[in-house]
Amino acid sequence: SAVISQKPSRDICQRGTSLTIQCQVDSQVTMMFWYRQQPGQSLTLIATANQGSEATYESGFVIDKFPISRPNLTFSTLTVSNMSPEDSSIYLCSATQLAGGVFGPGTRLTVL
Amino acid sequence: KQEVTQIPAALSVPEGENLVLNCSFTDSAIYNLQWFRQDPGKGLTSLLLIQSSQREQTSGRLNASLDKSSGRSTLYIAASQPGDSATYLCAVEGDYGQNFVFGPGTRLSVLP
Repeated sequence: SAVISQKPSRDICQRGTSLTIQCQVDSQVTMMFWYRQQPGQSLTLIATANQGSEATYESGFVIDKFPISRPNLTFSTLTVSNMSPEDSSIYLCSATQLAGGVFGPGTRLTVL
Repeated sequence: KQEVTQIPAALSVPEGENLVLNCSFTDSAIYNLQWFRQDPGKGLTSLLLIQSSQREQTSGRLNASLDKSSGRSTLYIAASQPGDSATYLCAVEGDYGQNFVFGPGTRLSVLP
């Protein structure tokens, strides 16, 4: 099955700044997703990253706060904009295949 | 909207016990159900994938069953070991290529 890598693996950021997380898949995949896992919580879908078109966001998530790019079938980025301490979470990239869901190792973000 | 619940929320057992983790979902029209393991501060490790046409899957000491009509899945862990201590997440995929909806997880602690 596909292998997903993410960069950075972790970061500590100041309030008001932005961070871009990169997700690289080792094979072409049709669907890519971004999830957030807040401390002590399960995973919540942020958006579906659509190749060649705007991402589809879940309720409670907006493009201005979480802009997403998907330039091709193996790569996507998620930006967390104008960060606040409430954005401190693990952000995970995912793709679905016949063999099921494949997840990246996550990016642990701490906002001070 | 699909909702996934897991019981119990936490479980502490002595080493060697057989145990059952439960997962329920509200919409029986699923494509896949997948069990994941998450160690503290780590990403997701896929344990078992059950396709909608299947009733169960086995891997080593793990056995997962699926009853789509009743919206339930169970993960059976035989002869538990301290290394099994982790959070176990159940997730369902509504249709091929769609995102997964996650349950809140069961936090397992196996005591030596």
